[in-house]
Amino acid sequence: GAGVSQSPSNKVTEKGKDVELRCDPISGHTALYWYRQRLGQGLEFLIYFQGNSAPDKSGLPSDRFSAERTGESVSTLTIQRTQQEDSAVYLCASSHDRGKAEAFFGQGTRLTVV
Amino acid sequence: SQQGEEDPQALSIQEGENATMNCSYKTSINNLQWYRQNSGRGLVHLILIRSNEREKHSGRLRVTLDTSKKSSSLLITASRAADTASYFCATDAGGSYIPTFGRGTSLIVHP
Repeated sequence: GAGVSQSPSNKVTEKGKDVELRCDPISGHTALYWYRQRLGQGLEFLIYFQGNSAPDKSGLPSDRFSAERTGESVSTLTIQRTQQEDSAVYLCASSHDRGKAEAFFGQGTRLTVV
Repeated sequence: SQQGEEDPQALSIQEGENATMNCSYKTSINNLQWYRQNSGRGLVHLILIRSNEREKHSGRLRVTLDTSKKSSSLLITASRAADTASYFCATDAGGSYIPTFGRGTSLIVHP
């Protein structure tokens, strides 16, 4: 696609429910990143996919968080048993090759846990 | 942990003035990128500067990198009200190449 696409744009969920966030990277981009941004804060790294290599999950805050990516295409971030502190904007980015090209971001999914 | 830290946290200027934002980081880097974020949603990529580069320009933007001081600056010349946004620097280091972001500088340009 022309840019990184994320869905849904907004999600309101009840505490304890599971949510799934989707990211469609730019076609041909091998690297994909997920970040979390709480209100008024910087971006917090969550997970990184590079081609068919094992993902770097070092930023995932708890075992309630998981992410998958099929080859070099769509990625889904799943949050199980959501808590109020999970409320944030979840941003996805992709780049053509790790470390050598700029990362392009989607518009994010604003998650509100009530 | 956050690698880059922007300074100042907030900046308020009049249209037409120049805006300078700084980014300091702790460890040696591969690349440093500057991004703009409007209304707390998607980030727009501005400039990428590699560790062996010292200065880059793009339109009204000028980025410098001083690896000896582990710092970078973003200069926006002849600012416009539309430049009002948050600006973030992101660095990647070592073999991970994962951009790590600071907390950002909030820029307000008054018309």
